[in-house]
Amino acid sequence: AQTVTQSQPEMSVQEAETVTLSCTYDTSESDYYLFWYKQPPSRQMILVIRQEAYKQQNATENRFSVNFQKAAKSFSLKISDSQLGDAAMYFCAYRSGGGADGLTFGKGTHLIIQP
Amino acid sequence: NAGVTQTPKFRVLKTGQSMTLLCAQDMNHEYMYWYRQDPGMGLRLIHYSVGEGTTAKGEVPDGYNVSRLKKQNFLLGLESAAPSQTSVYFCASSEAYNEQFFGPGTRLTVL
Repeated sequence: AQTVTQSQPEMSVQEAETVTLSCTYDTSESDYYLFWYKQPPSRQMILVIRQEAYKQQNATENRFSVNFQKAAKSFSLKISDSQLGDAAMYFCAYRSGGGADGLTFGKGTHLIIQP
Repeated sequence: NAGVTQTPKFRVLKTGQSMTLLCAQDMNHEYMYWYRQDPGMGLRLIHYSVGEGTTAKGEVPDGYNVSRLKKQNFLLGLESAAPSQTSVYFCASSEAYNEQFFGPGTRLTVL
């Protein structure tokens, strides 16, 4: 079974600064997808960014980018120019590429933005 | 489009009572999922469905049953609720190989 580990229960960053959230995963599969989801206090799960394992290029979405290290099984999220609205729980998630399996989530990182 | 909706948003049950959570999606997705989220944990998969009339067990299926009689609906049932089932329940839907879209969640408390 796959596992996803987020080793930082909480992170704090000053507004406008850059922060990196860590995620490692364990799998024996070669075909898979990785995601970062944001969960604000509203509880809604919001997709931030996705990465296909077969793509070498790191995904980017505006101020959000990932550092995908396939050999090291690492998938970190970098948030540039942090904004107050970025404050939330962030979950790293894994999905097998071979079927309709659900997502395997890490325990999350609580991101605090200091004004 | 409403996306993924869940009914109800909140519910309090007594131990032993039964209830059904309804998930509906209007995106014509084939795959639907039920997760639970407990404090300090990420979401864990309860059951899922790859199409109308099909269901499969996830990581934590015990104490739950599901049905997918219509493509757009996915029901999660608790036959005899237990305090350990106090949680926030999320429904999600997707097409194959794409991201999952989540509903707003249902907060369930079992006393």
